[in-house]
Amino acid sequence: GAVVSQHPSWVICKSGTSVKIECRSLDFQATTMFWYRQFPKQSLMLMATSNEGSKATYEQGVEKDKFLINHASLTLSTLTVTSAHPEDSSFYICSARDFGLYNSPLHFGNGTRLTVT
Amino acid sequence: QQQVKQSPQSLIVQKGGIPIINCAYENTAFDYFPWYQQFPGKGPALLIAIRPDVSEKKEGRFTISFNKSAKQFSLHIMDSQPGDSATYFCAASRASGTYKYIFGTGTRLKVLA
Repeated sequence: GAVVSQHPSWVICKSGTSVKIECRSLDFQATTMFWYRQFPKQSLMLMATSNEGSKATYEQGVEKDKFLINHASLTLSTLTVTSAHPEDSSFYICSARDFGLYNSPLHFGNGTRLTVT
Repeated sequence: QQQVKQSPQSLIVQKGGIPIINCAYENTAFDYFPWYQQFPGKGPALLIAIRPDVSEKKEGRFTISFNKSAKQFSLHIMDSQPGDSATYFCAASRASGTYKYIFGTGTRLKVLA
C-alpha cells in the first residue's frame, strides 16, 4: 500500500532557530500533501494543504510566515518552522493521497515530535 | 456544516468486549468515511473506510455501520484485544478531488487484559 515517510521522527531545537521537516510519498506521486499539528490527547488540526509547484493553502489562524511549506516535487513536501518558540512544540504529521487512484485514502507519515527549548 | 462529532471521548472495555465508537456528520456532500487508529508517538493508520452506498462493511474484527439518513456512522471492534488500545479517529471527506478530511475529536480506547 501507499507509504508516506516523514523525517526526522523527533527534533529538539533552541528557541529562535528554524527546523525543517520532510515528507515523502514513497510509492506514488502526490500532487497534494497535507500538514497537520496534534497537541497531546487532541485531534488532528489541519495546518495547510501543500500543492506541488504552487503556493500552499493555509488554514485560518495558521501563520504562513511561521510555517513555510515547499512542495518542489511530486514526492516531497517540506515544512519549515521558522524562528521556533516553545509554543511551537508539538507533534507534526504529514499526509498524502494518491490522487491518480480513485478512492485512494489519506495515508499519514509517522509524525515529527518537535521540542523547542 | 464541516464538523464531525465523535463520541465517546474515552472508553474502557474488557478483553473480548465490543467497543463501539460513534460519529455524526452534517455535510451531505461527504461520501467517504474512514476510520484511523493511532498509537502513541505514531501517525494515524487507516483502519477501514466506507462509502454511503453500503450500510455496513467488515474487515477482520472491525466493522463500520453507516446510517445515511441519520448522517451517522460507527466503528465496532469485535473480540477486542489489549493490542487494540489506541486512539481512534473518524473522518469524513469526498472520495474524489483534493477535498480535505474533517476529523472527529478522537476516542481513547483501553482494552483491559
